[in-house]
This record gives sequence, structure tokens and C-alpha cells, in this order.
Amino acid sequence: DAGVIQSPRHEVTEMGQEVTLRCKPISGHDYLFWYRQTMMRGLELLIYFNNNVPIDDSGMPEDRFSAKMPNASFSTLKIQPSEPRDSAVYFCASSLLDRGFYEQYFGPGTRLTVT
Amino acid sequence: QKEVEQNSGPLSVPEGAIASLNCTYSDRGSQSFFWYRQYSGKSPELIMFIYSNGDKEDGRFTAQLNKASQYVSLLIRDSQPSDSATYLCAVDSSNTGKLIFGQGTTLQVKP
Repeated sequence: DAGVIQSPRHEVTEMGQEVTLRCKPISGHDYLFWYRQTMMRGLELLIYFNNNVPIDDSGMPEDRFSAKMPNASFSTLKIQPSEPRDSAVYFCASSLLDRGFYEQYFGPGTRLTVT
Repeated sequence: QKEVEQNSGPLSVPEGAIASLNCTYSDRGSQSFFWYRQYSGKSPELIMFIYSNGDKEDGRFTAQLNKASQYVSLLIRDSQPSDSATYLCAVDSSNTGKLIFGQGTTLQVKP
């Protein structure tokens, strides 16, 4: 399997622009997670889905952030409008219950820079 | 109080020594505990999982869990320069797959 796929790998945009990050989870995994990582705040869970349904979005920082999972093989995280403080690495991860626990597999991440 | 706490380091050890990384958590009902390794510029990867009190060994790595003290640790024996990375402790408090991560401890292994 190719693992979790994220695109783009790097995104540079200007403040106020819309940004869309994309994720393809590992086939067969029923959980999908979106994280944000910064030096100051570490790795933060933004939202996660189970069987394409959002379960917990309490980590989404503001209404400017939204996430969708229209099917089992695709998810998006959208920021509109973007702000410089949104600059971070955004990771997507997927997991499946196996051997009694959930091992999360992370994608390579999208490095977002908002100027 | 943060839910999962780690010393950010850096922790510096000489090659061949034992590196000891520590993590405490606040939710006493937590069920599963994970150690992830993250190289600079890369994504986290799982290296150890533990859910029972005591020790779990995998090669040069040993995870230790003490639920009464709400403490989990990772020992790396015979440390190698290639072990230099940030180690993230993560806790699944409800066995739902939702992980809470600590800030991570940076380990430097000097040749």
C-alpha cells in the first residue's frame, strides 16, 4: 500500500486566500485524523472521522477551518480566509482497529506558509 | 495542566548509552499508550505500544507503564546516532483511537 497520501506537500499563500489540503487514507482504514504541528503548540488534533462521519471537531480552532470526508478514500481540510498564524505543518493520519489497538499511520504532511 | 507532559529536552547521551524518556498523563482512565518517533522534517512513526502495567520490550526499545503513578517511559539501549529524533508520547484515554500527544522530547545521541 502507498500509505497515507497528502497534497500539496508545500503551500505558500497570502493572507486572506483560501487553502485546501487533501488527504487519501490507507485503503480499509476506518478512522481519519487531521493534525496541526507547530513548535509552540506541538501536535494538535483538529478533527477526526469514523466511517466518513465527523466524530470530534473540538480541536478546530475557528470557523475559518472546515473539514469534509465525502467518501472513504478522500478528505479535505479547508482554511478560509487564511491568516499568518495558520502557518504550520498539517498531518493527516488514518487507522484501523488491529490487535486490540489503533495504530495511526501518518502522511508526509503539508507545510503551509501564510504570508 | 496539560493532559500529556514530556520534558522537551534536548536529552543528550553518548553513543552506546541508555536513553530514558519520560511521560506523565492526567487522565487516570487512559487505556493505551504509544511512543512515536519523529525525525526532523518527517512525519511521526509508531515505535512502541503498551497497555498493561510493567515492561514491554522490542529490540533495543523498552516501554514501561505504571498506571498508579500515571507514568510511561521509553528506554533505548545501546543508543545510536540514528536514534537522534523527537520522541512523542501519546495517550488514548478512551480506546477510541483519539490520541493526545505530548510536546515531545528531543534526543541527541553523540558519536
